Amino acid sequence: GNSVTQMEGPVTLSEEAFLTINCTYTATGYPSLFWYVQYPGEGLQLLLKATKADDKGSNKGFEATYRKETTSFHLEKGSVQVSDSAVYFCALSGGSQGNLIFGKGTKLSVKP
Amino acid sequence: DAGVIQSPRHEVTEMGQEVTLRCKPISGHNSLFWYRQTMMRGLELLIYFNNNVPIDDSGMPEDRFSAKMPNASFSTLKIQPSEPRDSAVYFCASSLGGSGNTIYFGEGSWLTVV
Repeated sequence: GNSVTQMEGPVTLSEEAFLTINCTYTATGYPSLFWYVQYPGEGLQLLLKATKADDKGSNKGFEATYRKETTSFHLEKGSVQVSDSAVYFCALSGGSQGNLIFGKGTKLSVKP
Repeated sequence: DAGVIQSPRHEVTEMGQEVTLRCKPISGHNSLFWYRQTMMRGLELLIYFNNNVPIDDSGMPEDRFSAKMPNASFSTLKIQPSEPRDSAVYFCASSLGGSGNTIYFGEGSWLTVV
């Protein structure tokens, strides 16, 4: 069945460091791929998405490219800020109704 | 624009009590989802509806859990009787439906069963 695997955290970085959070998926067909972010005490918010191979999603300095050949959707940001501290979830949408299957989440802490 | 609205935000209840969580999806959305989040199991899809009809409830853990969607603007998730292992954050989410459409989450209902 469909599944998402993302790197385990926690990840601790200094401000302005480069961020990569790896995400790979297993799916039949051609799923859409998403990154969601969850700040402490809040619900999940869409960060970015890509709906077909080679698409690049981007938002707030974050980017991820849908790589069908490697079944990956790695999240990157060139210079993180303290305000980026949160839990990041990779997800795929494989069902006809668009239900999401999530990875386990990666907690990011950015130190000043 | 109002997002997905959930109530209560926080609930502490005793084991054996009935718990009802409520959700108002975004107006115009025709798909509604209930997720549960725990440290051990992460985010799990419990059930989802399309046009008020339950499509897949295979994620509902057991018969103590039930969900309804009597109309397009309201859904409930009920646990009866509640147990300590039901303690979790329960998220309601909605979307326009279909693969690729964004799912919008509520703030969650933080349930503690003692």
